[in-house]
Formats: sequence, structure tokens, C-alpha cells
Amino acid sequence: DVKVTQSSRYLVKRTGEKVFLECVQDMDHENMFWYRQDPGLGLRLIYFSYDVKMKEKGDIPEGYSVSREKKERFSLILESASTNQTSMYLCASSFAGTASGQFFGPGTRLTVL
Amino acid sequence: AQRVTQPEKLLSVFKGAPVELKCNYSYSGSPELFWYVQYSRQRLQLLLRHISRESIKGFTADLNKGETSFHLKKPFAQEEDSAMYYCALRDHGSGNTGKLIFGQGTTLQVKP
Repeated sequence: DVKVTQSSRYLVKRTGEKVFLECVQDMDHENMFWYRQDPGLGLRLIYFSYDVKMKEKGDIPEGYSVSREKKERFSLILESASTNQTSMYLCASSFAGTASGQFFGPGTRLTVL
Repeated sequence: AQRVTQPEKLLSVFKGAPVELKCNYSYSGSPELFWYVQYSRQRLQLLLRHISRESIKGFTADLNKGETSFHLKKPFAQEEDSAMYYCALRDHGSGNTGKLIFGQGTTLQVKP
């Protein structure tokens, strides 16, 4: 069974704080993704990575950065958290090519006060 | 541009009634399409892939290239089918990155 884990289920931070969200997968997947999920807006891609140290912007990268130093780990960084970044954050991973689809983590509910 | 449209935000049916969750896509080539489901307080999980032509939990989805649709169907809804459903299209412009384009999701509510 593919396992994608995220460092926290719930997180509360203050405006201006630096926030780290971590994701780890154990299936040797090449690709990893960060999404945010908001009611009525569905899933929006923030960043993705197709290899170690490689990253590409998704649809809404502003205010976020990412790091992938090891194949199994993909971190999402909010340099200076703002209230409009309050959301559910989902991590996913997949093999190169998507015949198998993406596998998702349980999500992190981030609240920025 | 590639796009996925799920026209209904909410679909409410009674237990035992047929269900059809609509998904339309825009892509001129041969699409790779998926349905994902998210039950309350659970992670998003793959329900089915069109290339597998499988039936999972009684759900099926047929690709209709003429209508560019990939609707999800079940003949008799169960209360445990209540969930959020997302249709997704592989982004064929992104090489082997595995990037998917998701629809906005449809909440299925099955009433007793």
C-alpha cells in the first residue's frame, strides 16, 4: 500500500510566521505535489516536483515555496503566513507518467490567525 | 487549453436511486481520465481510471470522446456513497510529471 504522510493534521499559526509543511512518501515515486483545497474552488496546484531538487510552479504559487532535497520528502514553505492562506493543504505523489494516478496524504488543516 | 468541468456542485439523491456525476473535459488528443473520491474526514483516494475499465464500489465511468465526457454512474445509490467526487485529466502538456487537472468537485448527498 502506498503511504503518503503529512507532518501535521492541524496547525494554527500567526500572521507573519514562517510555516513548514512536510510530506513523505514511501513508494519511491518520482513526482510529488502540493495542493490547497478550498470549498467551491476544488483542488488548486501550488507547486510540484518531478525529481530531487527540481520544482515547477503550479497554478497558485504566490506566497509559497518548496524544497525537495530527498526523493521521498517534499516540503511546502509559507515564508510569511497570511490569513488568506488558511486552508486544507494536500500532498500527493505518483510515478513518472500517471497511468496509476496520484496518491494523496491525509491533509493538513492550516489556520492563520 | 485543457480543462475539466463538473457542472454540479451538489447532487442530492435518495438511497436506491441512480446516480450520474457529470464530467466534461477539453483536450483534442486521447485523454487519460480519473475519478477521485473523498469521504468525510478521509484522504482523497483514487476511485477509478478509464484505462482500466473497472467497476469500483458499483461505480463505472465510460469515456465518450464524441461528447468529451467521462460521467460517473451507479445504478443504485447507497448512503455510504455520500462524499466529494473529483474528475481529473492528465495534463498531456507536462511530459512525465504526472500533473493532473482537476474539476471543481461535486458533493454527492445520498438521503435515506
